[in-house]
Amino acid sequence: NAGVTQTPKFQVLKTGQSMTLQCAQDMNHNSMYWYRQDPGMGLRLIYYSASEGTTDKGEVPNGYNVSRLNKREFSLRLESAAPSQTSVYFCASSEASGLYEQYFGPGTRLTVT
Amino acid sequence: GENVEQHPSTLSVQEGDSAVIKCTYSDSASNYFPWYKQELGKRPQLIIDIRSNVGEKKDQRIAVTLNKTAKHFSLHITETQPEDSAVYFCAANNAGNMLTFGGGTRLMVKP
Repeated sequence: NAGVTQTPKFQVLKTGQSMTLQCAQDMNHNSMYWYRQDPGMGLRLIYYSASEGTTDKGEVPNGYNVSRLNKREFSLRLESAAPSQTSVYFCASSEASGLYEQYFGPGTRLTVT
Repeated sequence: GENVEQHPSTLSVQEGDSAVIKCTYSDSASNYFPWYKQELGKRPQLIIDIRSNVGEKKDQRIAVTLNKTAKHFSLHITETQPEDSAVYFCAANNAGNMLTFGGGTRLMVKP
């Protein structure tokens, strides 16, 4: 099993450009998450999908949108990138939301100039 | 919402010594407290978790303790080894059953 996969691994954008980060899991998990990781700030939840067909805002949703395409795939879109969105983005999945282990993808390092 | 604070932000120990990382949380309804380890350039991985119906849990050289009254929990690593060097994150579940993470502790084990 590949677990949680993410593409791309690295990306450089200019301010105002858009892009979509892709995430897929092959563990038949119901819940999926998008986090951003900034130095000294831990992992902050952007959006999550508790189950197929549902999405909800996390702690820092402004400037982002998500799509739960099917049970396996959960994408994160930046419509108009800003330098403040320079970060490392992690996708994660878990059997269900709540008291379950979250499995993380390898991360996407995004730089917005 | 839930607020999780983690201390210290960096910790340097000699190989073989013990390391302790502490976290406090604000939401008294939180009942799940996982710890994740992130090696340099890698993804976070769960190393141990504790639920509020127990006060302590051990797994070989690592242990976690929970004090619900004081709203704090700690990670203890004994007989540290160079491969324990990493960033460690604590977390607590919030009212929406999502995780709120602490800011992380960079542990350096000197050989």
